[in-house]
Amino acid sequence: ETGVTQSPTHLIKTRGQQVTLRCSSQSGHNTVSWYQQALGQGPQFIFQYYREEENGRGNFPPRFSGLQFPNYSSELNVNALELDDSALYLCASSFWTVRGEKLFFGSGTQLSVL
Amino acid sequence: AQKVTQAQTEISVVEKEDVTLDCVYETRDTTYYLFWYKQPPSGELVFLIRRNSFDEQNEISGRYSWNFQKSTSSFNFTITASQVVDSAVYFCALSGRTGNQFYFGTGTSLTVIP
Repeated sequence: ETGVTQSPTHLIKTRGQQVTLRCSSQSGHNTVSWYQQALGQGPQFIFQYYREEENGRGNFPPRFSGLQFPNYSSELNVNALELDDSALYLCASSFWTVRGEKLFFGSGTQLSVL
Repeated sequence: AQKVTQAQTEISVVEKEDVTLDCVYETRDTTYYLFWYKQPPSGELVFLIRRNSFDEQNEISGRYSWNFQKSTSSFNFTITASQVVDSAVYFCALSGRTGNQFYFGTGTSLTVIP
């Protein structure tokens, strides 16, 4: 148990729709990262939030956006869904102190786009 | 560029056999961090070990051991006397000097046959 919880666990959407995924960080953590994991692949970095500001972004289009709230919980929003957005979305929290801090992952949200 | 390669896609071993999972990384950073994570069918990535680039000492934790060699840019993971509960997908990951993004390999799916 990492203390990182994600909701919902599964979601089915149709192409063109919008989706919001939610994450509650482990207590005491001030940084949250989002990763996309396609079937049979390793997780790919979407972005990270630290103290409610974006702190790095991977190679994802602007229709992927996020928020971090004062209680350090977070949302991932995806607009204009495409079939290739079907994946497991993982949230990870950490405490931003020194470099190389390990990430604590949630169990993910499985998104299917039809 | 940062990259992690796990050439072994799937490995099957019989219970109690030893197994080594290979990881090769690429980075131009002089300071970096290497990780191994385990992903059981539940989807949550479970942290196993972190190693920084200045610490080449091998590490043993119970049945797990890690061999870090900067000369060959490798960070291999050995499970001794494998058990059925070790069946999972194992990911090697790299975090560079900025520390905000993890680069994952494509994972090695390990099946331990009773």
